[in-house]
Amino acid sequence: SQQGEEDPQALSIQEGENATMNCSYKTSINNLQWYRQNSGRGLVHLILIRSNEREKHSGRLRVTLDTSKKSSSLLITASRAADTASYFCATDPSNDYKLSFGAGTTVTVRA
Amino acid sequence: NAGVMQNPRHLVRRRGQEARLRCSPMKGHSHVYWYRQLPEEGLKFMVYLQKENIIDESGMPKERFSAEFPKEGPSILRIQQVVRGDSAAYFCASSPAVDHSYGYTFGSGTRLTVV
Repeated sequence: SQQGEEDPQALSIQEGENATMNCSYKTSINNLQWYRQNSGRGLVHLILIRSNEREKHSGRLRVTLDTSKKSSSLLITASRAADTASYFCATDPSNDYKLSFGAGTTVTVRA
Repeated sequence: NAGVMQNPRHLVRRRGQEARLRCSPMKGHSHVYWYRQLPEEGLKFMVYLQKENIIDESGMPKERFSAEFPKEGPSILRIQQVVRGDSAAYFCASSPAVDHSYGYTFGSGTRLTVV
């Protein structure tokens, strides 16, 4: 079964708006990672947040982690057409190699 | 510094044929991971290899699937006697060390279509 589950499944926003997507998971984790996948391409690692961290920033990306609720959120600020992609969260339960991915959130940014 | 290279990008096989997918890790990376992505789903772990060793193949179907990472050359994921259900995108990732806490670099994947 999938560990991480993203919500919503799909999101459509206007360029310049913010996009927020959430990830819930079931078991304890060592870290949680967010990846982006453009249509027909591979996954690009965006950001990793460790279990003892609550918030992390990278450029226009902001990730939060609430281990008590077993949830994470990814915020993309001032979205651009190039942000159109699927976004996946992946949990790493024990700092090993078996990442568990959700089904992703498909984000469409309208010009 | 080229990233993780996978080939072919697209592969079409008839039912019963063999599929061979190749993955060259990033320079300096000796750990390779294969994942499979079925349509509308997230990636699922298949197998973890180091040079000449299979470390964990718990995510790989017991039959028809095999993987290797020889001392020289790319890692190979081999699917024998393919069936329609094998149609998926197969991604390879690599990392340089045992510490996996820095995220992975994925290739662009091989999209296998079984007709």
